[in-house]
Amino acid sequence: EAGVAQSPRYKIIEKRQSVAFWCNPISGHATLYWYQQILGQGPKLLIQFQNNGVVDDSQLPKDRFSAERLKGVDSTLKIQPAKLEDSAVYLCASSTGADQPQHFGDGTRLSIL
Amino acid sequence: QKEVEQNSGPLSVPEGAIASLNCTYSDRGSQSFFWYRQYSGKSPELIMSIYSNGDKEDGRFTAQLNKASQYVSLLIRDSQPSDSATYLCAVTSNTGKLIFGQGTTLQVKP
Repeated sequence: EAGVAQSPRYKIIEKRQSVAFWCNPISGHATLYWYQQILGQGPKLLIQFQNNGVVDDSQLPKDRFSAERLKGVDSTLKIQPAKLEDSAVYLCASSTGADQPQHFGDGTRLSIL
Repeated sequence: QKEVEQNSGPLSVPEGAIASLNCTYSDRGSQSFFWYRQYSGKSPELIMSIYSNGDKEDGRFTAQLNKASQYVSLLIRDSQPSDSATYLCAVTSNTGKLIFGQGTTLQVKP
């Protein structure tokens, strides 16, 4: 079974620029999550999708972050404009449903200069 | 009070010993509990899930849950240097959101 695919693996941009991350979940997984993990901390949920609908985006900084999952499969997370504090690893995870074990992709390490 | 609390460590144990990792949580309505292992520079990997009070064993790993005390733990028997990693406790909130602790760093010394 193929795992969660994410790209790119690394990204370096300057503050105020924009960046986008892509995620393809495990086949058949209806629930998709985006997390932000800052060094030394546990992952923090940014947004949770159930199929193509948003379940929870309470911790997504909506003035600069946006995410979509138009066809209920792959998803894109965008940051525009980026701030220095956005430097982190962005993790995508998927599961068969809410409350089920989540499986993570390799993540995208974002550095803001 | 943090929603999920773990001692950041590092916890250092000799090879072959039992490593005991602990986690407390604040939401009494939580129903699902997970332990993830994260190697440096890698993504979290699920190693155990537990849903009811008591112990659950899988190989060298045992998860223990006590909902009355709002406490979940992970025991690693016969610890190996390859077990050296950060262990993340994760708890599902009453809204279904997964909340992670900050993780405990385990060092197993040969």
